[in-house]
Amino acid sequence: TQLLEQSPQFLSIQEGENLTVYCNSSSVFSSLQWYRQEPGEGPVLLVTVVTGGEVKKLKRLTFQFGDARKDSSLHITAAQPGDTGLYLCAAGAGGTSYGKLTFGQGTILTVHP
Amino acid sequence: DSGVTQTPKHLITATGQRVTLRCSPRSGDLSVYWYQQSLDQGLQFLIQYYNGEERAKGNILERFSAQQFPDLHSELNLSSLELGDSALYFCASSATGNSPLHFGNGTRLTVT
Repeated sequence: TQLLEQSPQFLSIQEGENLTVYCNSSSVFSSLQWYRQEPGEGPVLLVTVVTGGEVKKLKRLTFQFGDARKDSSLHITAAQPGDTGLYLCAAGAGGTSYGKLTFGQGTILTVHP
Repeated sequence: DSGVTQTPKHLITATGQRVTLRCSPRSGDLSVYWYQQSLDQGLQFLIQYYNGEERAKGNILERFSAQQFPDLHSELNLSSLELGDSALYFCASSATGNSPLHFGNGTRLTVT
């Protein structure tokens, strides 16, 4: 079973600051996904990274997959209050069990106006 | 709106009881997944169904069972409930067994 460690667990910052969330494992991932979850809602997929060294951008969010496919990071530039939420990384079992995901414990981000 | 519908939104019941959670996947999605989210364990995979058949199992307790019906909706049955079963239960669906997941907004179960 893959174990995903996310850090930090909590992040409280001011609007306009930059931040990075990390997701690490001792196992190699076939792919890694990042989700954002808001209170009262289910997780929403932000991105999937598949190739070692891959970098994907989604507006002010930059996702990176480590070269060895054992770690990933999410960087947010100029955070806004609307970015507040729980950020989760998840690794899939692959194949036809793509949706059998192992999630990290999550990072609770609060962006203050 | 993910297109995945879960009912009920909230459920309060007593220890020892049995409850049924219902999930309607997005139109056309064949695969349904159930996840449990609690403060101490985080989000954990329970079980997956694909077109009516069980496809993958996680750390699902023997007291829990699920099924997917011919119309593709799914139900998660939780029996002999314990205080520790209090959690958010999410259903997700995907078009196939290897396409992105879309999560519902969950059912919050409180066992008293």
